[in-house]
Amino acid sequence: QVQLQESGPGLVKPSQTLSLTCAVSGGSISSGTYYWSWIRQPAGKGLEWIGRFYTSGSTNYNPSLKSRVTISVDTSKNQFSLKLSSVTAADTAVYYCAREGGYDYVWGSYRPYYMDVWGKGTTVTVSS
Amino acid sequence: QSALTQPASVSGSPGQSITISCTGTSSDFEIYDLVSWYQQHPGKAPKLMIYEVTKRPSGVSNRFSGSKSGNTASLTISGLQPEDEADYYCCSYAGSSTFLVIFGGGTKLTVL
Repeated sequence: QVQLQESGPGLVKPSQTLSLTCAVSGGSISSGTYYWSWIRQPAGKGLEWIGRFYTSGSTNYNPSLKSRVTISVDTSKNQFSLKLSSVTAADTAVYYCAREGGYDYVWGSYRPYYMDVWGKGTTVTVSS
Repeated sequence: QSALTQPASVSGSPGQSITISCTGTSSDFEIYDLVSWYQQHPGKAPKLMIYEVTKRPSGVSNRFSGSKSGNTASLTISGLQPEDEADYYCCSYAGSSTFLVIFGGGTKLTVL
């Protein structure tokens, strides 16, 4: 049973960089079968996808956040990380990590078609 | 910019059936069967309920079903139960190589 656990500072000052880590247990992050994503949710609002990492080294980012986001993986620790730079109060949210799965039977390759495992989320507040 | 539109709220009585719609604006939404639905209870992480339009993950009740026609996908919950009261989000993807994720705005389901 794969489990994800987010961790990181709960308070970040404006203009600084938000850094979070998602620890993966019960499965290998480098298996190549899944993709690994970050999603956030401001209080009382909807879900916003931030971006993903695949063990091939490829990344995809939400165009609205792309200039400020870096997602990377540490296979030795079986975890992946999010860095969001130049934060403002608008970045205050609950941040979730999730595993994306799916398979393209036409091309015979794994794809990020749905998020089947989620972390419990961690709240990050941007404030001075 | 692709977008998914959901009703802000729906309601139903226990035992009834309800349907939540999700209308997409991009051609990818119509072409690819990559709509998924997530249930979120207050203070909890989202939970995958439907993927690839109609498929149910193991452990999800068969009271939940999904469909899609043209640019509108739907989540139907039959035999409503009090524990079904939650927020529901549809999700789809844009870009055949980048698979950028798009979430709908969410629908609050109230079980009367």
